[in-house]
Amino acid sequence: NAGVTQTPKFQVLKTGQSMTLQCAQDMNHEYMSWYRQDPGMGLRLIHYSVGAGITDQGEVPNGYNVSRSTTEDFPLRLLSAAPSQTSVYFCASSYSIGAHSYNEQFFGPGTRLTVL
Amino acid sequence: GESVGLHLPTLSVQEGDNSIINCAYSNSASDYFIWYKQESGKGPQFIIDIRSNMDKRQGQRVTVLLNKTVKHLSLQIAATQPGDSAVYFCAENKGRAGNNRLAFGKGNQVVVIP
Repeated sequence: NAGVTQTPKFQVLKTGQSMTLQCAQDMNHEYMSWYRQDPGMGLRLIHYSVGAGITDQGEVPNGYNVSRSTTEDFPLRLLSAAPSQTSVYFCASSYSIGAHSYNEQFFGPGTRLTVL
Repeated sequence: GESVGLHLPTLSVQEGDNSIINCAYSNSASDYFIWYKQESGKGPQFIIDIRSNMDKRQGQRVTVLLNKTVKHLSLQIAATQPGDSAVYFCAENKGRAGNNRLAFGKGNQVVVIP
């Protein structure tokens, strides 16, 4: 299994440009999420999905959109990039097997985004 | 490498010594906790987890202790090795069971001195 993959690895945007960060997992995980990581701040949840067709907002959702049309893919869209969105973005997935289960999240390698 | 470690609390440990990393969590209702390790330029990697019905859990060279009374979590690494140099994050589950919505701490940098 490839696990969680993310593309691109690096991206530079100008203010106002749009782009989509791709995330895919081949583990048939139900749960997927997007985090951003800024220096000295840990990871903050942007959006998450508990299954295909279901998404919800996390801690810092403004400026980002997501969709979950398939179990495998969970793209993150920046509609109009701003310098404040310069960050490292991580996608994660986990296998949720019921209402009383907890499972570790597997993280992708990250996308390093710079907005000028 | 990444600037993840900027302004983080740093623990310098001699190779072979034991390391203890501490974490305070915020939500008394959180019932699942995880420790992650992040090396420079990589995504977080799972180390060990613990549910709130436990006080202690051991893995290979690692032990997690949970004190629910004071909302404190710690990670102990035995016989620290150079490969243990990384940023360590604790995370708590703030969502419903089965909905793995995690809240992460800001991280602790561990530097192993050979």
